[in-house]
Amino acid sequence: GQQLNQSPQSMFIQEGEDVSMNCTSSSIFNTWLWYKQDPGEGPVLLIALYKAGELTSNGRLTAQFGITRKDSFLNISASIPSDVGIYFCAGQLSGGSQGNLIFGKGTKLSVKP
Amino acid sequence: NAGVTQTPKFQVLKTGQSMTLQCAQDMNHNSMYWYRQDPGMGLRLIYYSASEGTTDKGEVPNGYNVSRLNKREFSLRLESAAPSQTSVYFCASSGTAGGTQYFGPGTRLLVL
Repeated sequence: GQQLNQSPQSMFIQEGEDVSMNCTSSSIFNTWLWYKQDPGEGPVLLIALYKAGELTSNGRLTAQFGITRKDSFLNISASIPSDVGIYFCAGQLSGGSQGNLIFGKGTKLSVKP
Repeated sequence: NAGVTQTPKFQVLKTGQSMTLQCAQDMNHNSMYWYRQDPGMGLRLIYYSASEGTTDKGEVPNGYNVSRLNKREFSLRLESAAPSQTSVYFCASSGTAGGTQYFGPGTRLLVL
């Protein structure tokens, strides 16, 4: 089946640093989504991308939908302790009516205060 | 506005027992989904319901059944629980089958 390769798997950063993570796939996606999951909670949508080349910001977060439609990245600027959590990318396949999302395995972010 | 709610939050079962996980959404969404999350595996789709009255298998449907009771509610049933079904289960909903999905808080299930 389709797979998303999300990297890095985990990262430790100093508070105030910028963070980058990305997802790549061999499949073409219609939509890219980025979610954050806090411990013991469900994933919460951060950013949704609907067009190739689209660059969207949400506060300190910026995400881009790759031109080839096979990749996406998420940047977090000036990280703070509450950025800790697991970040998931998810791609929605072209065509089909079921709206299935394919999830990456997550990037675990830890921040040193 | 509660969004997506799930019950129970935690459950411990013995192998062979059955149970039903409940999910409800108050956003008037047409589509609903059940995922399981295992360490290092991300989220995998079990079943989904594109609209009221329809259900379809996802990536990992074996050992599960679902019921779309009405537009608001979508339940997941384990008829005979197995240790391999120990996981965290998430329900999600979207306005349409191709729409952005919003997740509930999850049900943590341990099968002994």
